[in-house]
Amino acid sequence: GQSLEQPSEVTAVEGAIVQINCTYQTSGFYGLSWYQQHDGGAPTFLSYNGLDGLEETGRFSSFLSRSDSYGYLLLQELQMKDSASYFCALLADKLIFGTGTRLQVFP
Amino acid sequence: KAGVTQTPRYLIKTRGQQVTLSCSPISGHRSVSWYQQTPGQGLQFLFEYFSETQRNKGNFPGRFSGRQFSNSRSEMNVSTLELGDSALYLCASSATGGRNTEAFFGQGTRLTVV
Repeated sequence: GQSLEQPSEVTAVEGAIVQINCTYQTSGFYGLSWYQQHDGGAPTFLSYNGLDGLEETGRFSSFLSRSDSYGYLLLQELQMKDSASYFCALLADKLIFGTGTRLQVFP
Repeated sequence: KAGVTQTPRYLIKTRGQQVTLSCSPISGHRSVSWYQQTPGQGLQFLFEYFSETQRNKGNFPGRFSGRQFSNSRSEMNVSTLELGDSALYLCASSATGGRNTEAFFGQGTRLTVV
């Protein structure tokens, strides 16, 4: 089977940098995705790593290491609007989501 | 381009009843996946439909079923509702599913079973 683990909650202050980790177990997958979900909203796609290494999209970066079964999402210059839940997801023949990390950004 | 539309947004049902939820994917998208989201379990995969065929299925009882129409719209049905079925049901569309790297989610249907 496939499973993903994330910290349940992370807190940080505006302007800071935060890293949300994701460890996984799987027999095979194409890549690792990250989604953001605000309270009451739909999950929205943030980034995808098909290959090992770092992908950068503005203030957000995502990293994948297949040898370590590990990935992370890095959020820089945190803003209040970044307060949301963040999910890593394995892309195999379907998307399998982790249980999510709730990020709270304080002023 | 219109996004993914789910109807209804909110639903209250009684134990033992059945319910049908609807999802209209983004125009041109042929893959629709359904997820159940609960506070303790995160997003759990229910099933995926592609070109009117169920392509993948999660680990849910047979009370949960779905179908897809020729216009790619999809419905999911839950029969003999239980209190534990209370959740946010999300559908996601993508062009082809599978290795398609980005899924687009609807706002979800909040189902409450009383």
